[in-house]
Amino acid sequence: SQQGEEDPQALSIQEGENATMNCSYKTSINNLQWYRQNSGRGLVHLILIRSNEREKHSGRLRVTLDTSKKSSSLLITASRAADTASYFCATDGGLDSWGKLQFGAGTQVVVTP
Amino acid sequence: DTEVTQTPKHLVMGMTNKKSLKCEQHMGHRAMYWYKQKAKKPPELMFVYSYEKLSINESVPSRFSPECPNSSLLNLHLHALQPEDSALYLCASSQAGSVREQYFGPGTRLTVT
Repeated sequence: SQQGEEDPQALSIQEGENATMNCSYKTSINNLQWYRQNSGRGLVHLILIRSNEREKHSGRLRVTLDTSKKSSSLLITASRAADTASYFCATDGGLDSWGKLQFGAGTQVVVTP
Repeated sequence: DTEVTQTPKHLVMGMTNKKSLKCEQHMGHRAMYWYKQKAKKPPELMFVYSYEKLSINESVPSRFSPECPNSSLLNLHLHALQPEDSALYLCASSQAGSVREQYFGPGTRLTVT
């Protein structure tokens, strides 16, 4: 079953603009991860934020985590056509979750030149 | 080497065939996973192996049979599949500890005719 819900389901922007997507989850987590998937390919791990962290940066990516609201956001700054992909959040409940990642439904991002 | 490889890339099989999907990683990860992904959906966990032992079976039908011959290899044996089993099958690996970012292979696109 899915733990995370993502918003929006789809996002269309132009190159150079920022893209923001949100993820909400239901139960306590050890960490939250974001993955990117290009059409028909495997998922690529982007960034992991632990439950005791509030913000994390990696290149053009910025992730926030609000455990009180059980939500996270992913910001991609200065988007490029190569950022066109589906983005999934995934929550890791820690050792009690027995290695399961709970994926959100995903946000499809299209960046047009 | 942070690569997970999967073979074959594409597989077409009849409902009476027996085939196998293969996955390999050389990152020293002791947890390996099989996921099934339908179009425009998030990955669904099928099996988890931890230290070469099956630790999670997400109520997957017995026509899917996983095998972990050693710490680097993961197989998924397929027999008497149904057309609804057509999907992208993804393998992933991770550390077996409490922080488990997963590394995904490119997937096998399976079509059951």
